[in-house]
Amino acid sequence: AQKVTQAQTEISVVEKEDVTLDCVYETRDTTYYLFWYKQPPSGELVFLIRRNSFDEQNEISGRYSWNFQKSTSSFNFTITASQVVDSAVYFCALSGERGSQGNLIFGKGTKLSVKP
Amino acid sequence: KAGVTQTPRYLIKTRGQQVTLSCSPISGHRSVSWYQQTPGQGLQFLFEYFSETQRNKGNFPGRFSGRQFSNSRSEMNVSTLELGDSALYLCASSAPQGGPTSYEQYFGPGTRLTVT
Repeated sequence: AQKVTQAQTEISVVEKEDVTLDCVYETRDTTYYLFWYKQPPSGELVFLIRRNSFDEQNEISGRYSWNFQKSTSSFNFTITASQVVDSAVYFCALSGERGSQGNLIFGKGTKLSVKP
Repeated sequence: KAGVTQTPRYLIKTRGQQVTLSCSPISGHRSVSWYQQTPGQGLQFLFEYFSETQRNKGNFPGRFSGRQFSNSRSEMNVSTLELGDSALYLCASSAPQGGPTSYEQYFGPGTRLTVT
């Protein structure tokens, strides 16, 4: 069965600190997609990134970077020089080839608090 | 492009009643998925519709149903409401499979349902 584990329930940092959010996944599919979403207090899930299982290149987007390692089934997310606006719940999600594009398996989320 | 819209945003119902929630996807998106978010269970997939057909269904009782119209708008219905149905119901849409952004789901703001 597919599963996503985000072991960190809550993380608290001070502004400008770097923070890494961990995500470990399980799947038997050979082709799959991994995602990160941000959920601010307003409640709407904001899409951050999609990564294909056959592309292990790390990605950087501004202060955000993602480290995908198939060997350890991990897809970690790092925020560099965190800001108060980064405070939110972050979800890692998995979509399986057989599960169709519309079925995302979410982790429980990591609540990030960035204090000024 | 307008994002995913959901109506109503907030709803209070009594146990035993039924409720219908509405979702309008991003223009051009034909896949619509529904998720339930609760503090205890997190984000759970309800069902997915594509071209007016249910393509995938999560592990929820038959009281939860949905449909999609020819303009891709979708509704979900919950009959005989229970206290445990209190949750944030999120709708997401995605572009046709095979495109550069396929598998990416874009979420609406959600409908907060409270059952008393």
